[in-house]
Amino acid sequence: NAGVTQTPKFQVLKTGQSMTLQCAQDMNHNSMYWYRQDPGMGLRLIYYSASEGTTDKGEVPNGYNVSRLNKREFSLRLESAAPSQTSVYFCASSESREGEQYFGPGTRLTVT
Amino acid sequence: EDQVTQSPEALRLQEGESSSLNCSYTVSGLRGLFWYRQDPGKGPEFLFTLYSAGEEKEKERLKATLTKKESFLHITAPKPEDSATYLCAVSIPYSGGGADGLTFGKGTHLIIQP
Repeated sequence: NAGVTQTPKFQVLKTGQSMTLQCAQDMNHNSMYWYRQDPGMGLRLIYYSASEGTTDKGEVPNGYNVSRLNKREFSLRLESAAPSQTSVYFCASSESREGEQYFGPGTRLTVT
Repeated sequence: EDQVTQSPEALRLQEGESSSLNCSYTVSGLRGLFWYRQDPGKGPEFLFTLYSAGEEKEKERLKATLTKKESFLHITAPKPEDSATYLCAVSIPYSGGGADGLTFGKGTHLIIQP
């Protein structure tokens, strides 16, 4: 079991460029999440998908879009990157909305 | 507003010196409290879930406890490999207007010196 995988591991973008962060899980979990982690701010929820076919906003959704492609995959898209989106992005999954979440290794994104 | 506060921000211990990390929370209806360990450059690693006051969970040198207002992560006779950032997170009822997902504290950076 690979658990939760994320690609890419590192990315540098210029302001205004777009990109998609990919996430996949092989634990047959129903719920998936995207967080960002910034120094001094802790982890904050961007978007989540409680089950296949549904997505909802979290605490900091502005500037992002998501797609729950199937039960395994949940992608995060930055349409027009801004320096404020420089961060480490983590994907997570859980069997249920109440259960513990398992995190991927993260994507380190720098926007110049 | 729901909040999670962890203390201390950083803690340096000698190998074998036991201590406790604190996580206090103010939430409207706790659904679960979670402890994670995070090593530099890696994703958070799940440690424990606690659901109700009085509950305790143990794993090797770690023991997590929960009261109505706070949780403690007790570290007994720590070793250098226990050095990491320990994160506390809470889950609140989505029916009460909260989103799914966890609300995290800022973590305690723990260093165990040989």
